[in-house]
Amino acid sequence: NAGVTQTPKFQVLKTGQSMTLQCAQDMNHNSMYWYRQDPGMGLRLIYYSASEGTTDKGEVPNGYNVSRLNKREFSLRLESAAPSQTSVYFCASSESNGKETQYFGPGTRLLVL
Amino acid sequence: QQQVKQSPQSLIVQKGGISIINCAYENTAFDYFPWYQQFPGKGPALLIAIRPDVSEKKEGRFTISFNKSAKQFSLHIMDSQPGDSATYFCAASKGAGKSTFGDGTTLTVKP
Repeated sequence: NAGVTQTPKFQVLKTGQSMTLQCAQDMNHNSMYWYRQDPGMGLRLIYYSASEGTTDKGEVPNGYNVSRLNKREFSLRLESAAPSQTSVYFCASSESNGKETQYFGPGTRLLVL
Repeated sequence: QQQVKQSPQSLIVQKGGISIINCAYENTAFDYFPWYQQFPGKGPALLIAIRPDVSEKKEGRFTISFNKSAKQFSLHIMDSQPGDSATYFCAASKGAGKSTFGDGTTLTVKP
């Protein structure tokens, strides 16, 4: 099992550009999450999907959209990137929503100039 | 409103010493308290977790102590090793709700 995979690993964008971060899990988990990690601020939840076909906002959803394409895949889209979105983005999955252990991907490092 | 407060922000310990990281929570509905370990350039990974029906859980050199009345829980790393140098996050979740993470503690174990 690969666990949780994320692409790309690193990306540089110019302000106003758009991009989609991809995430896939092969553990047959129901729930998936997108976090951003900034120095000294821990992990902040952007969006989550409790199950296939559902998505909900987390703590910091502004400027982002998500798609739960199927049970395996959960993508995060930046429509018009801003320098404030420079961060490390982690995708995670869990067997069910919240209570169970979350398994994290390796992260995507995004730099917005 | 930060629901999980973690301290200290950074910690330096000598090899063989005890590392202690503390977390406090506000929501009494939380019923699952994991600790995650993150090495540079990697995603966080579960280290150890506890539910509020027990006061302590030990796995090797890692122990969680849980104080339900004080709404606090802590991670103790015994015989700390340089390989334990990482960032540690506490978290809390409730039922079908989402996990809330602390801000993290960067641990450095000096040889």
